[in-house]
Amino acid sequence: GENVEQHPSTLSVQEGDSAVIKCTYSDSASNYFPWYKQELGKRPQLIIDIRSNVGEKKDQRIAVTLNKTAKHFSLHITETQPEDSAVYFCAAMYTGGFKTIFGAGTRLFVKA
Amino acid sequence: GAVVSQHPSWVICKSGTSVKIECRSLDFQATTMFWYRQFPKQSLMLMATSNEGSKATYEQGVEKDKFLINHASLTLSTLTVTSAHPEDSSFYICSARDLEDQPQHFGDGTRLSIL
Repeated sequence: GENVEQHPSTLSVQEGDSAVIKCTYSDSASNYFPWYKQELGKRPQLIIDIRSNVGEKKDQRIAVTLNKTAKHFSLHITETQPEDSAVYFCAAMYTGGFKTIFGAGTRLFVKA
Repeated sequence: GAVVSQHPSWVICKSGTSVKIECRSLDFQATTMFWYRQFPKQSLMLMATSNEGSKATYEQGVEKDKFLINHASLTLSTLTVTSAHPEDSSFYICSARDLEDQPQHFGDGTRLSIL
């Protein structure tokens, strides 16, 4: 069945450094890839998304890249801050269907 | 925009009680709503998908008679955990979306504790 693999499961960086989280999806029909940030005990919040007709998208300190051929997509956070500490989930979906497949999550720690 | 309200945020009740959780889209029409269960330090586990006016589609392994889902309107879906037991204790989160090519927006979640 459809699957999304996410790595690493835990990532610890120094404040100001960059953080990269990588995901791989299995369903070649997937054409929409959102990223969610979830702080402890709170709801997952959409932080950025990318569609399959675009290779890269940037929003201030966060960017997402997509390689459709390899079925890889990545989240890049630059100039990390302590408030970036959270769990990040990647997801893949086919917009003609109903299901969004989530990765297992990456727990990001930004040390001050 | 795209606000999803979920109530209650925390429930503690005795074993055998049925618990209803509400999920409302406040500023958009939720054609599709999703119910997830999340264990500590784990990812979101999809339980069921519901479309307004239709029966919910349950994921494999999720008991439909245990977890009753009603999506009676374009802004409201409810999840009822029937005869809840301690193993049903978990964090339940709903999400909603309008169009097929739009992202899901999540509620705040409900922490369910069954004694």
